[in-house]
Amino acid sequence: AQSVTQLDSQVPVFEEAPVELRCNYSSSVSVYLFWYVQYPNQGLQLLLKYLSGSTLVKGINGFEAEFNKSQTSFHLRKPSVHISDTAEYFCAVIEPYTGNQFYFGTGTSLTVIP
Amino acid sequence: DAGVIQSPRHEVTEMGQEVTLRCKPISGHNSLFWYRQTMMRGLELLIYFNNNVPIDDSGMPEDRFSAKMPNASFSTLKIQPSEPRDSAVYFCASSLVFQGTGELFFGEGSRLTVL
Repeated sequence: AQSVTQLDSQVPVFEEAPVELRCNYSSSVSVYLFWYVQYPNQGLQLLLKYLSGSTLVKGINGFEAEFNKSQTSFHLRKPSVHISDTAEYFCAVIEPYTGNQFYFGTGTSLTVIP
Repeated sequence: DAGVIQSPRHEVTEMGQEVTLRCKPISGHNSLFWYRQTMMRGLELLIYFNNNVPIDDSGMPEDRFSAKMPNASFSTLKIQPSEPRDSAVYFCASSLVFQGTGELFFGEGSRLTVL
């Protein structure tokens, strides 16, 4: 069965420091991968997505993620975080050729400390 | 495009009352999803529709919950009777599946409090 694991439930980081939020998935077929961000009292917004092609994808707000097929990972990174990046981050997977159900991770709460 | 529109944004009701949450997906999208978010359980998929047909409702907690999609531009999630444990934020999301990238677009959510 498909599953998504976000290894860190909470990540505190100082402002202007780099951050990596980890995501691993399980699937034996081709997948699309997504990172969503949820600011307080808001819905989820797409940060970036991997469909095919280059394994390094860039998203909004300076975030990027790298797809690693051999390690079945899709870790999210930002070289220098800002206070406004404080939010909940969700990794998600879809198997586009076998169904359209999204599988979400449990989320990582990123707190940027001034 | 106005995005996915949900109503009401906030609902406070008493135990035993009927609650109806509404969703208007993005025009042209062919799939619609209902999610529930709580601190304890995170984001849970309740049900999703493809071309207005319910495909998977295995996430619906129990018979008190029901969802309908009478046409491509409207869906409802109903809870009858409501209980305090139903308190959560309910999100609707829509997508253009198979023809597109499968990206989900979320509404702002309906925050339900059952007293």
